[in-house]
Amino acid sequence: DSGVTQTPKHLITATGQRVTLRCSPRSGDLSVYWYQQSLDQGLQFLIQYYNGEERAKGNILERFSAQQFPDLHSELNLSSLELGDSALYFCASSLDIGGRQGDEQYFGPGTRLTVT
Amino acid sequence: GQQVMQIPQYQHVQEGEDFTTYCNSSTTLSNIQWYKQRPGGHPVFLIQLVKSGEVKKQKRLTFQFGEAKKNSSLHITATQTTDVGTYFCAGRDNNAGNMLTFGGGTRLMVKP
Repeated sequence: DSGVTQTPKHLITATGQRVTLRCSPRSGDLSVYWYQQSLDQGLQFLIQYYNGEERAKGNILERFSAQQFPDLHSELNLSSLELGDSALYFCASSLDIGGRQGDEQYFGPGTRLTVT
Repeated sequence: GQQVMQIPQYQHVQEGEDFTTYCNSSTTLSNIQWYKQRPGGHPVFLIQLVKSGEVKKQKRLTFQFGEAKKNSSLHITATQTTDVGTYFCAGRDNNAGNMLTFGGGTRLMVKP
């Protein structure tokens, strides 16, 4: 158990819909990262938040957005869903104390999104 | 932008054989991390290498960081069925926003 929680575990929805994925980081971790992993693919970095503020953006579509709340939990919003958005979405957290980005990342169990 | 490539993409081995995965970066890295993802699981941090030429061992796993800090390798001696999974390297470049860029992973399958 990494200490990172993600809900829901599974999500099945239709094209065009909007969903929200939730992540709670390990206690004390300030950074939250979101990744997308399609079937048998690598990890595609989407976005990072540090202590409530957006820190870095990766290959995140304009239809996707995220935020980190004062209690440090994070939500990833996916809208106008397409079949190709079906994937495993991982959240990871790291300490990154003082703003450094050298710490190892602890991954949550992931949310499996299926768009039909 | 920074790219991290891993080879091979897949590797089938007989239990007891050795296994090596290689990681190459297009830029010089400040450090490199390795993660393992079991089938149906999530990536789990294995180790971080920081120094040029660094070698670290974890039981049957040996991790190396190249002298130029642009490549790394993970070698498993005498594989076991518990080694099955995908091994990812992730490199951090100080000159590229210090972000962690993951390689595509090497999927290891072990025949008992």
